[in-house]
Amino acid sequence: AQSVTQLDSQVPVFEEAPVELRCNYSSSVSVYLFWYVQYPNQGLQLLLKYLSGSTLVKGINGFEAEFNKSQTSFHLRKPSVHISDTAEYFCAVSVPTGTASKLTFGTGTRLQVTL
Amino acid sequence: EPEVTQTPSHQVTQMGQEVILRCVPISNHLYFYWYRQILGQKVEFLVSFYNNEISEKSEIFDDQFSVERPDGSNFTLKIRSTKLEDSAMYFCASSEAVRSYEQYFGPGTRLTVT
Repeated sequence: AQSVTQLDSQVPVFEEAPVELRCNYSSSVSVYLFWYVQYPNQGLQLLLKYLSGSTLVKGINGFEAEFNKSQTSFHLRKPSVHISDTAEYFCAVSVPTGTASKLTFGTGTRLQVTL
Repeated sequence: EPEVTQTPSHQVTQMGQEVILRCVPISNHLYFYWYRQILGQKVEFLVSFYNNEISEKSEIFDDQFSVERPDGSNFTLKIRSTKLEDSAMYFCASSEAVRSYEQYFGPGTRLTVT
């Protein structure tokens, strides 16, 4: 079975500062990795994904994440955050099966951006 | 841009009642999912559905739950004899055949059982 750990439940940061949201996963097989964002009262929106290839992946809204197989991590970064980035961020994994693959989520990190 | 829609946005029901949560997946998608998020907890997988049958279900998805695709557009989650602990946000998601790993989520239905 797979599991995802997001060590930080909340991350406060000032606007225009850099941020890193941490994600570690556990799996005995290769996985796909995802970051989703949930704005207040909205559904989950895919930020970025890692399937294979380059370990640095770029997503929407200026976010990027780096896959580190040896450390089983997939940390999310943004060099300069904006107030509008305030949201809940979820890291997730799935096992590529070629058919419907469930997502296993972490507990989420609330990013709070202030002036 | 196509999106997954869910109705109602908020459902209040009494314990023991049956509820049906409705979802309209993106039109060319073939894989459908339900997840739930109890307040303050993580998003949990309930069930996946493909070709008119359940592909996988979690331990949570017991006989109290059922899913159905009654026509070419809707995908429903039925919860029989609701319990207080069923109170949660329920998310529907869908994915296309070629990129089945990329799931698109609806805005959710908040179910409150009183």
